[in-house]
Amino acid sequence: GNSVTQMEGPVTLSEEAFLTINCTYTATGYPSLFWYVQYPGEGLQLLLKATKADDKGSNKGFEATYRKETTSFHLEKGSVQVSDSAVYFCALRSGANSKLTFGKGITLSVRP
Amino acid sequence: GAGVSQSPRYKVAKRGQDVALRCDPISGHVSLFWYQQALGQGPEFLTYFQNEAQLDKSGLPSDRFFAERPEGSVSTLKIQRTQQEDSAVYLCASSFGSGETWDTQYFGPGTRLTVL
Repeated sequence: GNSVTQMEGPVTLSEEAFLTINCTYTATGYPSLFWYVQYPGEGLQLLLKATKADDKGSNKGFEATYRKETTSFHLEKGSVQVSDSAVYFCALRSGANSKLTFGKGITLSVRP
Repeated sequence: GAGVSQSPRYKVAKRGQDVALRCDPISGHVSLFWYQQALGQGPEFLTYFQNEAQLDKSGLPSDRFFAERPEGSVSTLKIQRTQQEDSAVYLCASSFGSGETWDTQYFGPGTRLTVL
């Protein structure tokens, strides 16, 4: 079956630090990969996505590259801000009429 | 435009009570999904509708859980005889397409259910 594994958290960084959040997956077929973010008190929002191997998704300074050879979709940002403090979920969809399969999520706290 | 809305936002139920959770998807969205999110975990799939047809209910944890979308728009998730293990946030998501893998799902704010 499909599964997503995220690195253990929480993660605490200083403002302007470099961020990497690891995500690896197991899937049948050719999945699409997603990062969702949940800011405090808000619902899940799509941050970025990639639909085929070697695609790079990007948004708000965040990037992630679909690596089929390592089955990974790591999230990176060059310089985090306090406003990036949130919970980040890696997810995939594979197959027709398919649901999202999520990782456990990781909490990021950025201090001034 | 309006996003996905859910009501109520919070629900407290006594064990054994029935509850009904409502989801209003984005207008025109064909696909609708329900997920359950336990504390500190990622959302887990419950069921999927394409218009009014329930195409996948493999994630419903027991026959106490029932979902419907009779007119292909608003959906209701019903939980009968609630148990403490049903306490979670219930998320609804909708998408424009018919379930393609690249189609973005838009999430509502969720209903937090607490069963005492």
